[in-house]
Amino acid sequence: NAGVTQTPKFRVLKTGQSMTLLCAQDMNHEYMYWYRQDPGMGLRLIHYSVGEGTTAKGEVPDGYNVSRLKKQNFLLGLESAAPSQTSVYFCASSYSGRANEQFFGPGTRLTVL
Amino acid sequence: DAKTTQPPSMDCAEGRAANLPCNHSTISGNEYVYWYRQIHSQGPQYIIHGLKNNETNEMASLIITEDRKSSTLILPHATLRDTAVYYCIVRGNDMRFGAGTRLTVKP
Repeated sequence: NAGVTQTPKFRVLKTGQSMTLLCAQDMNHEYMYWYRQDPGMGLRLIHYSVGEGTTAKGEVPDGYNVSRLKKQNFLLGLESAAPSQTSVYFCASSYSGRANEQFFGPGTRLTVL
Repeated sequence: DAKTTQPPSMDCAEGRAANLPCNHSTISGNEYVYWYRQIHSQGPQYIIHGLKNNETNEMASLIITEDRKSSTLILPHATLRDTAVYYCIVRGNDMRFGAGTRLTVKP
């Protein structure tokens, strides 16, 4: 039981490049989330999904897109990376909504030059 | 904006209880109080959560006031490994993290 895994762990991009971050969970959770964490700050929600085929915007969605084609995977895309998107990205999943805890992945450290 | 207010930092002696306060005066009736912690740059770790009643698990206790406007996380016997940033979160449809409390456990 691996829990929540994230790929890749580290990535360096040049401004304007695109990339996709992959999140996978093996707990059969319905809900999945993408957060970003900037230095010295708490996590901020980018997008989330309440089930396969669904996505919704969070607190800071601009510049990102997501897809949930399979229940166990949640992809975060950056179409044209900007230096302001340099951050640590965390994925999380939960069985359902507010009554259940979220389980977090180890994070992806992204640097945009 | 985060719906909670926490002190930015606290110290605790090893072996003593750590009591971390949190104010959430605008909490709604169907919102839960969650506590997570983050050690270094790892992913946040779930500690405990509650709605109205006090809760206890193997890691900690959560005391929620009767009016639900504040709560306290209690680590009964703090160890050096409990040094971390602790986040108090009011969870409704989303979960917004504030800056948290940096707890330092000292020998």
